[in-house]
Amino acid sequence: GENVEQHPSTLSVQEGDSAVIKCTYSDSASNYFPWYKQELGKGPQLIIDIRSNVGEKKDQRIAVTLNKTAKHFSLHITETQPEDSAVYFCAASIGYSTLTFGKGTMLLVSP
Amino acid sequence: DADVTQTPRNRITKTGKRIMLECSQTKGHDRMYWYRQDPGLGLRLIYYSFDVKDINKGEISDGYSVSRQAQAKFSLSLESAIPNQTALYFCATSDPTRPWILFFGSGTQLSVL
Repeated sequence: GENVEQHPSTLSVQEGDSAVIKCTYSDSASNYFPWYKQELGKGPQLIIDIRSNVGEKKDQRIAVTLNKTAKHFSLHITETQPEDSAVYFCAASIGYSTLTFGKGTMLLVSP
Repeated sequence: DADVTQTPRNRITKTGKRIMLECSQTKGHDRMYWYRQDPGLGLRLIYYSFDVKDINKGEISDGYSVSRQAQAKFSLSLESAIPNQTALYFCATSDPTRPWILFFGSGTQLSVL
């Protein structure tokens, strides 16, 4: 089955800096790559997703890039703010099958 | 009101006890899922259901069972709880046309003593 590796497991940045979280996947047939944000005491929530026919997607301060050849995708957060502090999960799926999640990255943004 | 509601929010039980976690949704989605979250291990799929008559095992189904009572209700049971089932449990739903977009409940923190 699919295997998703996520790095780093923890990331500390200063407010205003950029943060990058990287994921790799094993199955070249995977074609949907969502990112979820989990705030303390809540369930994960989708923040952005990218499909395999797109190399990059942006939504305000958040961007995701996909390199199908290398089988990796990344989340970029610019101008980080304290409210960006959370656990972030990458995931991958093949077609309309179930998602496989990475192990998560705890992002801490210090004022 | 929340679209995906899990009950209870917290539960403490003893080894060997039977326990049921419940999930209900108002999103009208056919697909429902149960995930388990452990520190450092991410989200792992326990069971999923694509409609009322469909039940499928996920990667860690041993020791768990589920029931899909209606489109809106999906419950998870631990027949005989053990300490290593202590975890945060999430129910989620998705639309079959965009199944990679999951809508999660707020979770149930289960402690098995």
